[in-house]
Amino acid sequence: EVVMTQSPATLSVSPGEGATLSCRASQSIGTNFAWFQHRPGQAPRLLIYDASTRATGIPPRFSGGGSGTEFTLTISNLQSEDFAVYFCEQYNDWPLTFGGGTKVEIK
Amino acid sequence: EVQLIESGGGLVKPGGSLRLSCVSSGFSLSASPMNWVRQAPGKGLEWVSFINVASSFTKYVGSVMGRFTASRDNARNSLYLQMNSLRVEDTAVYYCVTAIPIGPGYHYMHVWGKGTTVTVSS
Repeated sequence: EVVMTQSPATLSVSPGEGATLSCRASQSIGTNFAWFQHRPGQAPRLLIYDASTRATGIPPRFSGGGSGTEFTLTISNLQSEDFAVYFCEQYNDWPLTFGGGTKVEIK
Repeated sequence: EVQLIESGGGLVKPGGSLRLSCVSSGFSLSASPMNWVRQAPGKGLEWVSFINVASSFTKYVGSVMGRFTASRDNARNSLYLQMNSLRVEDTAVYYCVTAIPIGPGYHYMHVWGKGTTVTVSS
């Protein structure tokens, strides 16, 4: 199976600053890749699919990039509602697999 | 508002069974391929199963194959996960998630529910 490895596990950021999250796939997955946001007590939310396409309603401060085995999620000008857990997912091969998550916390 | 609502979770003994349900609000679940995804306490997310709209194609993660069965009733706008021979390691929050096809054999996950908690313990 494709193993997804996210880094860092925790990122401490001040409001208004930017953050870059990384996800690495154990084998090439093209751009069959997504990012999700999960706030406590809420349903996870799709942010990015096809590695770089923002989902409907996602603000432009979220941007995704990468292909093959290396992917990034960049969040600019962090807002209070952005402090959450972010996880990546590959949908290139069965079984579908997720990264372990990055918690973005307030510094 | 577009929502998915899971139900049916609870406490069950090892070896027991549970049936999870998922219904939609604000859109028709019957038109969407669907996934089940779970998250064990303190762990990451794990995809569990996929079912297409016609129920003619299903996929499962290896650890649940032969024990879990995904099904759907499009007339009732509902998705189900029948879980048999439950193990302690099946303890998790279970989410239903819509799938958006983007080509033959590929889809991305879109709308998630808030999940239902399954606890397997003696």
